Amino acid sequence: GDSVTQMEGPVTLSEEAFLTINCTYTATGYPSLFWYVQYPGEGLQLLLKATKADDKGSNKGFEATYRKETTSFHLEKGSVQVSDSAVYFCALQNTGGFKTIFGAGTRLFVKA
Amino acid sequence: GAGVSQSPSNKVTEKGKDVELRCDPISGHTALYWYRQRLGQGLEFLIYFQGNSAPDKSGLPSDRFSAERTGESVSTLTIQRTQQEDSAVYLCASSLSAWGSRDFSSYNSPLHFGNGTRLTVT
Repeated sequence: GDSVTQMEGPVTLSEEAFLTINCTYTATGYPSLFWYVQYPGEGLQLLLKATKADDKGSNKGFEATYRKETTSFHLEKGSVQVSDSAVYFCALQNTGGFKTIFGAGTRLFVKA
Repeated sequence: GAGVSQSPSNKVTEKGKDVELRCDPISGHTALYWYRQRLGQGLEFLIYFQGNSAPDKSGLPSDRFSAERTGESVSTLTIQRTQQEDSAVYLCASSLSAWGSRDFSSYNSPLHFGNGTRLTVT
């Protein structure tokens, strides 16, 4: 069945460091891919998405490119801030869009 | 506008008791989802609704779990005879579309989550 695998955390970085959180997926068909973020004390919210191969999703300085050849959707940010500390979830939604499957989440700590 | 609302936000119950969790989706969202998040783990899919019907109940862990949705609005997740292993945060999400919707332009709409209900079974 469909699945999402993302790097284990926690990831601890200093402010202004470069961030990569790896995400790979297994799916039949042509899924849409998402990154969701859960800030401390808040609910999950969409960070960015990409709906087809080679699409790049971006928001708040974060980017992720849908790579069908490597079945990956890695999250990147050039310069993290303390306010980026959160748990990040990679997710896929397959054709028809009825079931979104989430990775285990990666906790990010950013130190001042 | 109002987001997805879940109640209660916290629930502590004794093992063996029944609990009912409520979700109010965003108005106009036809799809509604329930997930479970155990401490330090990812989101586990439980069930989804398209309108009032539930085409996929495959994620419900056991027959102690059931869910219903009325009027394409409020949904309740009921856990009977709770066990300690049921302790988790139960998340509800809604979206504009899901499989079977005729609105093809809204396929693969993102999910909008509530803040969850933290259930503790003692």
